[in-house]
Amino acid sequence: GAVVSQHPSRVICKSGTSVKIECRSLDFQATTMFWYRQFPKQSLMLMATSNEGSKATYEQGVEKDKFLINHASLTLSTLTVTSAHPEDSSFYICSASLQGLNQPQHFGDGTRLSIL
Amino acid sequence: QKEVEQNSGPLSVPEGAIASLNCTYSDRGSQSFFWYRQYSGKSPELIMFIYSNGDKEDGRFTAQLNKASQYVSLLIRDSQPSDSATYLCAVNRGGSYIPTFGRGTSLIVHP
Repeated sequence: GAVVSQHPSRVICKSGTSVKIECRSLDFQATTMFWYRQFPKQSLMLMATSNEGSKATYEQGVEKDKFLINHASLTLSTLTVTSAHPEDSSFYICSASLQGLNQPQHFGDGTRLSIL
Repeated sequence: QKEVEQNSGPLSVPEGAIASLNCTYSDRGSQSFFWYRQYSGKSPELIMFIYSNGDKEDGRFTAQLNKASQYVSLLIRDSQPSDSATYLCAVNRGGSYIPTFGRGTSLIVHP
């Protein structure tokens, strides 16, 4: 149980393109999902907390107008990187957990984004 | 002081040895602790979780928690080259479901 699916796994596109990444909880409902970014050989960095039916909570330094998050249902959160530039190239990972304070995170397989 | 600290390594151990990975945290109210393994280019996967002081064993893995000293460790017995990865420590602060991750320790198990 607790499977998280993330799509697409890899995106290569031109600078200025907007890219949407989907994160789905397949066998459970997730009122909260998390979006992370990881640059090569660096640690996992939390970008934002996605809350079903309400606005996402962004970490300091993350531009909310650049990284649009929509969590319209209990099983789907999307991250849109708007007008992507080469510096946005990174590994984006989502996670979700079952309800409760002591639940571990279950991660999607990640999306490798390359902006040319 | 960072909330969750890990030595970035790399920690190099020979095949068959015990690998010991350590993590310290700053919030005394933290209640749940997790170890994740991340292979290069992949997303993290859960290895162990522990909530109570003491040891918890699962196969070759043992998690150890000492809340008084605010550290949690992961022991990997009979280390294999396939254990070579980055190990992330995560802590849920008291009353929160939001995990805080350490920067990870790179483990290399050489034949």
